[in-house]
Amino acid sequence: GAGVSQSPRYKVAKRGQDVALRCDPISGHVSLFWYQQALGQGPEFLTYFQNEAQLDKSGLPSDRFFAERPEGSVSTLKIQRTQQEDSAVYLCASRIRGEGTGELFFGEGSRLTVL
Amino acid sequence: GENVEQHPSTLSVQEGDSAVIKCTYSDSASNYFPWYKQELGKGPQLIIDIRSNVGEKKDQRIAVTLNKTAKHFSMHITETQPEDSAVYFCAASRRGGSQGNLIFGKGTKLSVKP
Repeated sequence: GAGVSQSPRYKVAKRGQDVALRCDPISGHVSLFWYQQALGQGPEFLTYFQNEAQLDKSGLPSDRFFAERPEGSVSTLKIQRTQQEDSAVYLCASRIRGEGTGELFFGEGSRLTVL
Repeated sequence: GENVEQHPSTLSVQEGDSAVIKCTYSDSASNYFPWYKQELGKGPQLIIDIRSNVGEKKDQRIAVTLNKTAKHFSMHITETQPEDSAVYFCAASRRGGSQGNLIFGKGTKLSVKP
């Protein structure tokens, strides 16, 4: 498709389980961002990739969170030993350029519920 | 780091009225200020943006202004329609750092009553 695609759209996990969330950015987009959006809040930055390089992971809340983009296209956000506070919508966004500022194109998000 | 404050958190207007949302930012190095609209169950979508070398910008029914000295920016929607009902986010970013990472406000839920 032409837009950013995320899967799964919905994920229910039991506390302690590991989850993996996938993002297919727009083809050719250099920059890829992951955001976490809690209910009723704005998106909060988690991590940033420029092609396959993870240039900023300062927003990852703990070492249970790990992201990768090995070939500079598809990205996976992995959360190990999920906790209830991890429940949120995880948004992926891509941008055509690697440098500077500009429009981010967001996917519809993956809603994670940890029981 | 950058902090973006957004007001009001909720806004209810009659169809045809105007709606104004205001934001402030803390990092004087920020130079890009987009506004995103998020509908229920969807990802945010850019509706308009403004850069620090411009004081105001208009696109059809939406106008945005930026006051760099006061570090605040606002969005004005005229002739609101029911389909304008959504959550709106302001954001700020700058060159360098995480290459244009956006810092978002907490959002304004706009309801337009027919």
